[in-house]
Amino acid sequence: QVQVVESGGDVVQPGRSLRLSCAASRFTFSRHPMHWVRQAPGKALEWVALISYDGSNKYYADSVKGRFTISRDNSRNTLFLQMNYLRVEDSAVYYCARGSLGYSYGPFDSWGQGTLVTVSS
Amino acid sequence: DFVMTQSPDSLAVSLGERATINCKSSQSVFYSPNKKNYFAWYQQKPGQPPRLLISWASIRESGVPDRFSGSGSGADFTLTISSLQAEDVAVYYCQQHYETPVTFGQGTKVEIK
Repeated sequence: QVQVVESGGDVVQPGRSLRLSCAASRFTFSRHPMHWVRQAPGKALEWVALISYDGSNKYYADSVKGRFTISRDNSRNTLFLQMNYLRVEDSAVYYCARGSLGYSYGPFDSWGQGTLVTVSS
Repeated sequence: DFVMTQSPDSLAVSLGERATINCKSSQSVFYSPNKKNYFAWYQQKPGQPPRLLISWASIRESGVPDRFSGSGSGADFTLTISSLQAEDVAVYYCQQHYETPVTFGQGTKVEIK
């Protein structure tokens, strides 16, 4: 059973930084693109970032571009999201999601349970 | 950016009855070279992460009951639950993954009447 487990969520003040991690197991992590998706309380899903299977290509939502950085360590089967200059509106549950094998842009076929980020003074 | 608009925002259906959710994309998500619609449906039950139900507009994922079906092409898509069960109470999201930014619909909440 594919597993992705997020960690790193916390309560932080506006303007501070936070790093999320996503540990992957039971699949060949290095062959899949990976995504971060967030969901504010009671709101719809919002895509945040995508990284290609080898880390060579990265894409971001306009709302986080220049502040967030997605990365991966295929030797450790781990995905990261470095979040800088956090804003109140970044408060959400952040999900790690696996992209489909063989497609740069494919459906998200496995999701973690999410980690909660709260930005508040 | 692709704007995904779902209708209705919510719907209440009696057990055993049909539920239909529509999703319209602001642009076509059909990719001619491989004849695929870059479109998916997700189910999110309360307190749980989303789950992929239907990929490429009409392919039911492994383990998804056959009462769920997806149809449509181009910019207009439909998710049908042929006979609603109590465990189908959830919010359903459509998604285009044709290009970045990947975008989701606003969600449709399905409840029991």
